[in-house]
Amino acid sequence: EIVLTQSPGTLSLSPGERATLSCRASQSVSSSYLAWYQQKPGQAPRLLIYGASSRATGIPDRFSGSGSGTDFTLTISRLQPEDFAVYYCQQYGSSPRTFGQGTKLEIK
Amino acid sequence: EVQLLESGGGLVQPGGSLRLSCAASGFTFSSYALSWVRQAPGKGLKWVSDISGSGGNTYYADSVRGRFTISRDNSKNTLYLQMNSLRAEETAVYYCAKVASGYYHEFDYWGQGILVTVSS
Repeated sequence: EIVLTQSPGTLSLSPGERATLSCRASQSVSSSYLAWYQQKPGQAPRLLIYGASSRATGIPDRFSGSGSGTDFTLTISRLQPEDFAVYYCQQYGSSPRTFGQGTKLEIK
Repeated sequence: EVQLLESGGGLVQPGGSLRLSCAASGFTFSSYALSWVRQAPGKGLKWVSDISGSGGNTYYADSVRGRFTISRDNSKNTLYLQMNSLRAEETAVYYCAKVASGYYHEFDYWGQGILVTVSS
């Protein structure tokens, strides 16, 4: 099973700042089969990024993903108030599908 | 518009059973794999089970294999999760999710989730 470790656990930033979230895999993720999801309280997760760097439909271009192998990054270039949420990475290249433990992005 | 609507949750005693349903619309149901993902209160996301578009292939997390059964009725556009021998630690919100394409793909749509509480 591929274990995904996200860091930091909590990130405190102000609107307008740049956020960098990390996801490290215990072994290489096949074909960059890595996704990022955003979850707000009381809501279902929403797909942001798939294939490590492709934005899902309707996702603003301030969200970008990068990385390959075992190290992946989600960057939010200029934080908007609605971006404060919990973010999860997920690998879907090998079974079982696994998620990271999440990074909480909170307003400073 | 893709919609996934879970139902069937509620309170069940440890050792009991429950069947969740997920009614889908807005896409060609039989063409897509579907999954169940759960989230314990205040915790992260955990994959539970997958089923292929035809229903012929199913996959389970080790923690539920032998107790949970995933199935689908493509004539009713509905996904199911039969959960037996439930444990207190399986209290969670259960989400159904649509796989974007094929099998090794991301979840592009999620239901709103349904709460299952396992308690005496």
